[in-house]
Amino acid sequence: EAGVTQSPTHLIKTRGQQATLRCSPISGHTSVYWYQQALGLGLQFLLWYDEGEERNRGNFPPRFSGRQFPNYSSELNVNALELEDSALYLCASSFWGTGEGSPLHFGNGTRLTVT
Amino acid sequence: AQTVTQSQPEMSVQEAETVTLSCTYDTSESDYYLFWYKQPPSRQMILVIRQEAYKQQNATENRFSVNFQKAAKSFSLKISDSQLGDAAMYFCAYETSGSRLTFGEGTQLTVNP
Repeated sequence: EAGVTQSPTHLIKTRGQQATLRCSPISGHTSVYWYQQALGLGLQFLLWYDEGEERNRGNFPPRFSGRQFPNYSSELNVNALELEDSALYLCASSFWGTGEGSPLHFGNGTRLTVT
Repeated sequence: AQTVTQSQPEMSVQEAETVTLSCTYDTSESDYYLFWYKQPPSRQMILVIRQEAYKQQNATENRFSVNFQKAAKSFSLKISDSQLGDAAMYFCAYETSGSRLTFGEGTQLTVNP
């Protein structure tokens, strides 16, 4: 069984540009989550998608957005990049939605560097 | 809002010995789930162990076990017979119905040969 896959592995952008990060969940999983892990910090919840709809978002500005496609893969877009957006972005998927105790399966992350 | 606190930013243990990582959480809910995840240098978060709050019995997974104290809102992870491959960042996490998974700040575990 293929795990959660994320692309690209690394992404370097300059301030003000836009970044697009991609995630493919485990086959059969309909829920996709995005987390930001800044250096030295824990994981901060960004977005949760289920069945193509945004179900919940964390305390992040609107320039962080995303979507989920019919095949349940997901895209995270970050507009007007700022230096503090530099972080590891982790995608996770689960069979059930959040709150049901279903463990999350994580990808290896995309390291975004904003210069 | 639920919070998860890991008071030990770093811990170290000798190979083959036992180490305990601490975690406390704050909630008004009676039914919830608790997790420990590990993040090795490869960056991928891996589930270590899961505990359902309504179960009094502490979860165990091979060398990993938890001490779940519901009244004290404490959820510590014990690693027995530590191995070099256990070296990683360990995150405690909490989830309840209707909420997303909330992580603590993490504990960096070093295993010394």
